[in-house]
Amino acid sequence: DAKTTQPPSMDCAEGRAANLPCNHSTISGNEYVYWYRQIHSQGPQYIIHGLKNNETNEMASLIITEDRKSSTLILPHATLRDTAVYYCIVTPGGSQGNLIFGKGTKLSVKP
Amino acid sequence: GAVVSQHPSWVICKSGTSVKIECRSLDFQATTMFWYRQFPKQSLMLMATSNEGSKATYEQGVEKDKFLINHASLTLSTLTVTSAHPEDSSFYICSAMGLANTGELFFGEGSRLTVL
Repeated sequence: DAKTTQPPSMDCAEGRAANLPCNHSTISGNEYVYWYRQIHSQGPQYIIHGLKNNETNEMASLIITEDRKSSTLILPHATLRDTAVYYCIVTPGGSQGNLIFGKGTKLSVKP
Repeated sequence: GAVVSQHPSWVICKSGTSVKIECRSLDFQATTMFWYRQFPKQSLMLMATSNEGSKATYEQGVEKDKFLINHASLTLSTLTVTSAHPEDSSFYICSAMGLANTGELFFGEGSRLTVL
């Protein structure tokens, strides 16, 4: 079973920041938080990952709470092409190959 | 970034026939590849882990004699659905982890199988 909880769906206005929450209250000390997204009928795409520090790359920012029990993925300026299912996954570092996908959050970016 | 390619991207076959799906890492060597299956409106389910030069490890409930996996080289893994039936119709996705573990898993575009 997936070890994360995400809202099933969210809407976001184009150009606004999209903040996608994820709860992972049972996360272990050696587990990382990974975010992937899947656009309809395509393979998943890696977005970002982190252990305990906040992370930022060209796609998004990842904010992890101090107790590591939850995190938020931030897309700073959402576009229509960001409409996808976003998956938050926790997995031990170095073994992220066999990812266990939950149901994710369906983000709909609207004009 | 690294590219993983699947072929074919879609295939239609008759019930009882076998279908082979290829997964290639185009610009890196992948010691380990993973095969997922995704039914409509559902999440990805891991089917098996494929290691180069050794037998695949199947997840519980996945029939190894029905879903044959071969990982003969560091850039190619194949999934063969044998004696396919309509309930095997699904979206099959492979992923690969490179030799240098960068913390990122690379996914193929997926292959949609429809069994008539």
